[in-house]
Amino acid sequence: QVQLQESGPGLVKPSDTLSLTCAVSGYSISSGNWWGWFRQPPGKGLEWIGYIFYSGSTYYDPSLKSRVTMSVDTSKNQFSLKLNSVTAVDTAVYYCAKKRSGDYSFDYWGQGTLVTVSS
Amino acid sequence: QSALTQPPSASGSPGQSVTISCTGTSSDVGGYNFVSWYQQHPGKAPKLMIYEGSKRPSGVPDRFSGSKSGNTASLTVSGLQAEDEADYYCSSYAGSNNVVFGGGTKLTVL
Repeated sequence: QVQLQESGPGLVKPSDTLSLTCAVSGYSISSGNWWGWFRQPPGKGLEWIGYIFYSGSTYYDPSLKSRVTMSVDTSKNQFSLKLNSVTAVDTAVYYCAKKRSGDYSFDYWGQGTLVTVSS
Repeated sequence: QSALTQPPSASGSPGQSVTISCTGTSSDVGGYNFVSWYQQHPGKAPKLMIYEGSKRPSGVPDRFSGSKSGNTASLTVSGLQAEDEADYYCSSYAGSNNVVFGGGTKLTVL
């Protein structure tokens, strides 16, 4: 059974960099899939941030592209998200997920982690 | 890209059917067969219910069905059950390797 688990600081100061890691178990990242990041501001809807292939290829939401960096560590079977220059509007629950091969849906999700941007 | 448009709320009584719409444009919903639907209970992660417009992942009850007409996709829940009460989000491929979501619909089982 594929499982994903997000981890990282729950509190980030304005203008700092948000850093999260998604550990994958039950499935090898190197098997050839894309892996995505999403967020959900409190009380609001889901937002796509981007996704990364095991080789390191990435696609980001155009509105966040200038601030986002994703990376993958196949030796640890995990992938990561960095979002720089954060403000209060970046406060959200952040999710990682596995993209289905051949389409643009995501079939396995982490439980999510709340990141609050505040001084 | 702009978010897809969903009604903020929908409701139905147990046993009834309810349909949730998701309206986009020819650049997303209407242009590709890559509409997905997710169910999200409060405090939980989204769960994939429909992919490629009308296909159900293993384990999703056949009470859930998806369809598309032009730029509008729809999710129909038949034989409503109490546990179907949740938020539902549509998502679509929007070209250039981009993904876009709808604003979500809160389904209430009366």
